Amino acid sequence: DQQVKQNSPSLSVQEGRISILNCDYTNSMFDYFLWYKKYPAEGPTFLISISSIKDKNEDGRFTVFLNKSAKHLSLHIVPSQPGDSAVYFCAAWTGGSQGNLIFGKGTKLSVKP
Amino acid sequence: EAGVTQFPSHSVIEKGQTVTLRCDPISGHDNLYWYRRVMGKEIKFLLHFVKESKQDESGMPNNRFLAERTGGTYSTLKVQPAELEDSGVYFCASSQAWGRTGELFFGEGSRLTVL
Repeated sequence: DQQVKQNSPSLSVQEGRISILNCDYTNSMFDYFLWYKKYPAEGPTFLISISSIKDKNEDGRFTVFLNKSAKHLSLHIVPSQPGDSAVYFCAAWTGGSQGNLIFGKGTKLSVKP
Repeated sequence: EAGVTQFPSHSVIEKGQTVTLRCDPISGHDNLYWYRRVMGKEIKFLLHFVKESKQDESGMPNNRFLAERTGGTYSTLKVQPAELEDSGVYFCASSQAWGRTGELFFGEGSRLTVL
C-alpha cells in the first residue's frame, strides 16, 4: 500500500501562472518531506524540503506547505516557467534507525508558453 | 566535482540472463542507496549501504538481486536470472550525512529492459 500518494499524474499550466502540486501521506510518523524534480533521462534532483515543525518553507519561486492534521503537502511554483516542465516527486523520510526516502508516483508538470 | 555516475545507461537482455549495474557515488559519500522505478510508478527503495555495510536491504524484491559495495566505494547490483518484471530504471543515490538532513544526490539511472 502506498504511503506517499500523488493522485494527479499530470498538470498543465500556462506560463506565468501558479502551479500547485499535491501530495498526501498516510503515516503520521513521517516528519520530514522533500520534493524532487526530474527531467527526462536524468536522475531526480532535490528541490525543496520541509520539516514537520513548520507549515511553510519558501525558496525563491518555490514554496512547500505542510498540513499535518490533513497529512497533506503541496508545492507551489509562482510564476511558472517553461523550464519548470518536469516530473515532480514528493518524498517522505521514514525516520528511525533505518531511515530512507519513500516516493510518490510523481506528477508531470507541463508549463505552456 | 563529479556527480553520481551509473553504468550502463541502458541494458537490453533476455529473460534468464544476468545483468550487473554499477554505481560510483560522489567521492566521500558514505551512504549509497539503490532505488528502482517501474514505468509510471513510484521510485521504490531497494537498499542502503553505509560504507561497505548493508544498513537496510528491506526493499530488495527477492534473492535474484545481489548488491555489493566492496571497499565502500562503488557499488554493483546484479540481477540473476532476470525476469520480465525486473524491467525499469534503477537509480543510485549517495549522501554524505544519513538521516533527514542528508540530501540524496541521484545518478541518471540505468534503464533495464528484459525481453
